[in-house]
Amino acid sequence: EVQLVESGGGLVKPGGSLRLSCAASGFTFSNAWMSWVRQAPGKGLEWVGRIKSKIGGGTTDYAAPVKGRFTISRDDSRNTLYLQMNSLKTDDTAVYYCTRELDWLFYNWGQGILVSVSS
Amino acid sequence: EIVMTQTPLSSPVTLGQPASISCRSSQSLVHSDGNTYLSWLQQRPGQPPRVLIYRISNRFSGVPDRFSGSGAGTDFTLKISRVEAEDVGVYYCMQATQFPFTFGPGTKVDIK
Repeated sequence: EVQLVESGGGLVKPGGSLRLSCAASGFTFSNAWMSWVRQAPGKGLEWVGRIKSKIGGGTTDYAAPVKGRFTISRDDSRNTLYLQMNSLKTDDTAVYYCTRELDWLFYNWGQGILVSVSS
Repeated sequence: EIVMTQTPLSSPVTLGQPASISCRSSQSLVHSDGNTYLSWLQQRPGQPPRVLIYRISNRFSGVPDRFSGSGAGTDFTLKISRVEAEDVGVYYCMQATQFPFTFGPGTKVDIK
């Protein structure tokens, strides 16, 4: 069974930093393309960024609102995906979901982790 | 960036009756490989989203056959043939034809 478990969320002040982790199991993580998707309270879904598998090039892509502030990385030896978030803004307040991309779909989703940015 | 719109944004339905949601993209979702990467996701209250339909009309594993998808180009539809209580939630269309992947605003389905 595929499992994606996010951790590391919480309350942070504007301008602060936070690192989210996503522990993956039930599939070959090193072969997976992984994305972060977020959902502001009461709002819709927004793709944040993606990292390809190393065999796929290992490159990252980011949505315009987070480019230059957020960094996605992976540790295939630990089956873990990361989202480093710097210079956080109140608009970044959201539930952040870790997802596995497959066949042009967000195939599997974690339960999500809340990040609150507030003074 | 491709903009996705949905109508209606809210859909109160009677149990056992059909429901229909429309999704429109700002440009054609036909990929250069010939596929159309339009999917539908369901988000039940308090749950993460899950895939219902992919590539316009293919039901994801475990999805009941009361859910169906149709459409082409820029106009797509999700239909629920007979709404059940467990179908309450928000439904999103999503395109993966062009990067960045984008979502519609969501349609809230609840019971009258």
